[in-house]
Amino acid sequence: DGGITQSPKYLFRKEGQNVTLSCEQNLNHDAMYWYRQDPGQGLRLIYYSQIVNDFQKGDIAEGYSVSREKKESFPLTVTSAQKNPTAFYLCASSATPQVPYEQYFGPGTRLTVT
Amino acid sequence: KQEVTQIPAALSVPEGENLVLNCSFTDSAIYNLQWFRQDPGKGLTSLLLIQSSQREQTSGRLNASLDKSSGRSTLYIAASQPGDSATYLCAVNNNDMRFGAGTRLTVKP
Repeated sequence: DGGITQSPKYLFRKEGQNVTLSCEQNLNHDAMYWYRQDPGQGLRLIYYSQIVNDFQKGDIAEGYSVSREKKESFPLTVTSAQKNPTAFYLCASSATPQVPYEQYFGPGTRLTVT
Repeated sequence: KQEVTQIPAALSVPEGENLVLNCSFTDSAIYNLQWFRQDPGKGLTSLLLIQSSQREQTSGRLNASLDKSSGRSTLYIAASQPGDSATYLCAVNNNDMRFGAGTRLTVKP
């Protein structure tokens, strides 16, 4: 089955700890994205990558870091510098970064930091 | 900066009713608009993608329209079913994707 997988589904961390969220796709898509979703709000873009070994900041990149060492993988690290990390995190991919493009989403990871 | 608004935030209808969900956006210079469905605690499932040159797209009981000049899109759901209960989000693409906050739909049996 082709698709996007995110793990784990639920993640709990203590304040001050860094945590890494996994995102893998087997769709052979060039572009990958990380979004954050908070209750009652639309998705907000954290980081995106158009090609291996390249990534760009989105609207809310502060306190997050990413890497893109392989085409199929785009892990997101939530650092201790992120002031309000508790949220639902969604990873997406698209065939190319060129417009027009259709984005496909993973099942999400719910992160709770206490 | 593109702003995307979805009204109403929540909608409850009896089964079998036809309904319309609304999406408005402030910058009409878009490449495409995408409607998604999101079930509680789940990721987004793409329903329909409308290119900027298109006026509407249909898939089964769903029909999405696009009026770029007025900055509006509607998602029409015919003969609603309890299984349609979910949050519906629209996303507008003009170089980057901007999402609305969604409409939470409940279809009562």
